[in-house]
Amino acid sequence: KQEVTQIPAALSVPEGENLVLNCSFTDSAIYNLQWFRQDPGKGLTSLLLIQSSQREQTSGRLNASLDKSSGRSTLYIAASQPGDSATYLCAVRWTDSWGKLQFGAGTQVVVTP
Amino acid sequence: DAGVIQSPRHEVTEMGQEVTLRCKPISGHNSLFWYRQTMMRGLELLIYFNNNVPIDDSGMPEDRFSAKMPNASFSTLKIQPSEPRDSAVYFCASSAEYTDTQYFGPGTRLTVL
Repeated sequence: KQEVTQIPAALSVPEGENLVLNCSFTDSAIYNLQWFRQDPGKGLTSLLLIQSSQREQTSGRLNASLDKSSGRSTLYIAASQPGDSATYLCAVRWTDSWGKLQFGAGTQVVVTP
Repeated sequence: DAGVIQSPRHEVTEMGQEVTLRCKPISGHNSLFWYRQTMMRGLELLIYFNNNVPIDDSGMPEDRFSAKMPNASFSTLKIQPSEPRDSAVYFCASSAEYTDTQYFGPGTRLTVL
């Protein structure tokens, strides 16, 4: 069964610390993986998309890595700020699922000043 | 660009009533997705359209749910009759051809009493 898991469900860090968010998936046959951010009461915003042929993607303070063989992706946020407080979700598009994304449950992040 | 537009933003109705949720995708996008988000089940894909044609509706929970996309700039999700277990936030998202980055609307929070 294809599953996407995010652990922990929540974490709190002091401002300035680096954030490390984990996403694991049960099937290595992925087409791509996306990381999203969701603010309370809002929709999702796509942060990074990694194709299956890529090892990592970077955007500003964000860096996402992908290891298909171990079924893991990690989102790093450098020098966290209170404005980074949100829920972060990863989503996998499997090779056999045209256009469909399967989401993890998300990690709720609080960055304390 | 106005982004994905959803209406209404909040809907409160009584069990048994018909509910219609509306979505206007980003102009030029040819894929449209309807999701439901609950605390218990997370974010679930209900149905998606490509070039106004329903491609996969396997996520639609039951016959009480129906979705249409009469043209490239408008889609509806209808629940008839509504039940309290349908209470959730319903998101619409769109993406451009040959890309997987999905752009989400702000969601409609549905409460069925």
